[in-house]
Amino acid sequence: QSVLTQPPSVSAAPGQRVTISCSGSSSNIGDHSVSWYQQFPGTAPKLLIYDSNKRPSGIPDRFSGSQSGTSATLGITGLQTGDEADYYCGTWDSSLSSGVFGGGTKVTVL
Amino acid sequence: QVQLQESGPGLVKPSETLSLICIVSGDSIIPNYWTWIRQPPGKALEWIGHIYDGGRTYYNPSLESRVSMSVDTSKNQLSLRLTAVTAADTAVYFCARGHYSDYISALTFYSYYYMDVWGKGTTVTVSS
Repeated sequence: QSVLTQPPSVSAAPGQRVTISCSGSSSNIGDHSVSWYQQFPGTAPKLLIYDSNKRPSGIPDRFSGSQSGTSATLGITGLQTGDEADYYCGTWDSSLSSGVFGGGTKVTVL
Repeated sequence: QVQLQESGPGLVKPSETLSLICIVSGDSIIPNYWTWIRQPPGKALEWIGHIYDGGRTYYNPSLESRVSMSVDTSKNQLSLRLTAVTAADTAVYFCARGHYSDYISALTFYSYYYMDVWGKGTTVTVSS
């Protein structure tokens, strides 16, 4: 059971927009900014978004992040077949004094 | 370019100790946060812990009694030990470079924590 809650899957047609939610509590998302990771099967996760809404160099602006209260959202616009992957949110939890992740969301391009 | 490379035994018997190494190239051990994360087959990422300032550690409360981390600055490598393993410890183990900061500005608390560079991972199977 992951500390952060994500939907197991989301899907949309190519070119459309999808959003992935990440829900937590006051001790994690409520107090710390969220990061997002993209993972293809058999590979390591890759940082997509950090500090709620910042993109590392090389990440296209089709990927965006937002955060409010105890929830965060990853948005992907102009969906491409190459975006089919698992996406994880993560942050720090002050009560646990531990890093925490969501359960992951599988994005399917219809 | 920062690169991380995990290595380990691949197969560990139940009740024994798992030992992994992560070699860091392109960056210094200090002052970064070096994190271990694992992923059981078909499951989500699980944060194991991190080590920073050369030896200060935070561990996942669910693993704290069995896990320890250390660094060897002369070799620029990290180590992870997990004792009394069971089948539930079967997973791909990743090391990653972490960043953490917290501060107060205009009476508002800000904090971020993320991992920007990951190793490819090493598979560990616990089986007799």
